[in-house]
Amino acid sequence: KAGVTQTPRYLIKTRGQQVTLSCSPISGHRSVSWYQQTPGQGLQFLFEYFSETQRNKGNFPGRFSGRQFSNSRSEMNVSTLELGDSALYLCASSLDGRNTEAFFGQGTRLTVV
Amino acid sequence: DQQVKQNSPSLSVQEGRISILNCDYTNSMFDYFLWYKKYPAEGPTFLISISSIKDKNEDGRFTVFLNKSAKHLSLHIVPSQPGDSAVYFCAASGSFGNEKLTFGTGTRLTIIP
Repeated sequence: KAGVTQTPRYLIKTRGQQVTLSCSPISGHRSVSWYQQTPGQGLQFLFEYFSETQRNKGNFPGRFSGRQFSNSRSEMNVSTLELGDSALYLCASSLDGRNTEAFFGQGTRLTVV
Repeated sequence: DQQVKQNSPSLSVQEGRISILNCDYTNSMFDYFLWYKKYPAEGPTFLISISSIKDKNEDGRFTVFLNKSAKHLSLHIVPSQPGDSAVYFCAASGSFGNEKLTFGTGTRLTIIP
């Protein structure tokens, strides 16, 4: 079966702009989690959506938001981009949110200039 | 503050020898620990996990050891193979894996042929 698909793979944006990233989970998976990976910081948890509801949230400012649709696809939005938002954004899907069964996508590399 | 720490950013090991990757944590509420492997341009892949009720878990060439009193875990790979060259992330969770993952910053393992 198809894996987790993230689009786009690469993105360059200017400071102050906003951006939307997309994640299509594995068919049948209802949980989608988002992570930010930066050098020296590892992967930091942004939020988790389960059945269209945000179930968990990390310590990121309100500029970072997300949503999940009825087909479990998820989008993540970052408004008023800052240089420090440059990172690899990863999403992971699982059937019910159990971390051992989470499958990661290849990520979206966002560069803010 | 970094609740999960991988103090060695990189490690080089001869093919066929043992690779030992270390991870320390500070949050006593963590009760489930996971190791992920990440190749360049790919998302992390789940490798092995351990619950706090155990002190060892083995899966083929991979063994994870947990020392709760020292808040320390390690991943042993024996024998090391060239395909093991990747970045390894340690992660921790509460509620036996049902809560968000907190990741370490990763260790880049290079296996020398």
